[in-house]
Amino acid sequence: AQKVTQAQTEISVVEKEDVTLDCVYETRDTTYYLFWYKQPPSGELVFLIRRNSFDEQNEISGRYSWNFQKSTSSFNFTITASQVVDSAVYFCALANYGGATNKLIFGTGTLLAVQP
Amino acid sequence: EPEVTQTPSHQVTQMGQEVILRCVPISNHLYFYWYRQILGQKVEFLVSFYNNEISEKSEIFDDQFSVERPDGSNFTLKIRSTKLEDSAMYFCASSEADFTDTQYFGPGTRLTVL
Repeated sequence: AQKVTQAQTEISVVEKEDVTLDCVYETRDTTYYLFWYKQPPSGELVFLIRRNSFDEQNEISGRYSWNFQKSTSSFNFTITASQVVDSAVYFCALANYGGATNKLIFGTGTLLAVQP
Repeated sequence: EPEVTQTPSHQVTQMGQEVILRCVPISNHLYFYWYRQILGQKVEFLVSFYNNEISEKSEIFDDQFSVERPDGSNFTLKIRSTKLEDSAMYFCASSEADFTDTQYFGPGTRLTVL
């Protein structure tokens, strides 16, 4: 079965703090893709990153970084020096390769509140 | 930058009425999807569509739902006889290369069934 677990329902931090959002996934496939999306209060889903299962290099984009560890089936997302504009729900998602399923499987999301 | 668009942004309907939600995917994309998100919950897959046919559908996507690509640009979701539990945000998405390619989402249509 494919599943994505985001155990943190809500996180509240003060501006400029670093924060890590956890994502744990389950899949039997050896080839798969992982994603993070941001859903700000306005409601749209904004793509942040896509990572395939063969690329375990960590990625950094500005204040955002992602840590992919196949050994623990985790794909965690860190925001450095958080800002109020980072307040949103963040979803981790999984897509399997090979045609067995043709969809994104989302986690339940983590609501991040950044206080000024 | 190309984006997925959806209309209307908010639709209010009476139970039992038919609704059509419209989407214009990114122009060079070939794979299309509908997802829904009940308020405060996670995003759930409804259906994927490629080459003018449904590739996969979820258990939610029963006989009351249908999708269509009536022309070269639009992609629609029809709910034949709406129920109260159909109230949700409906997102259209599209991807370019295949089902594991990045899916870009539209802004959503909030459907309220009274």
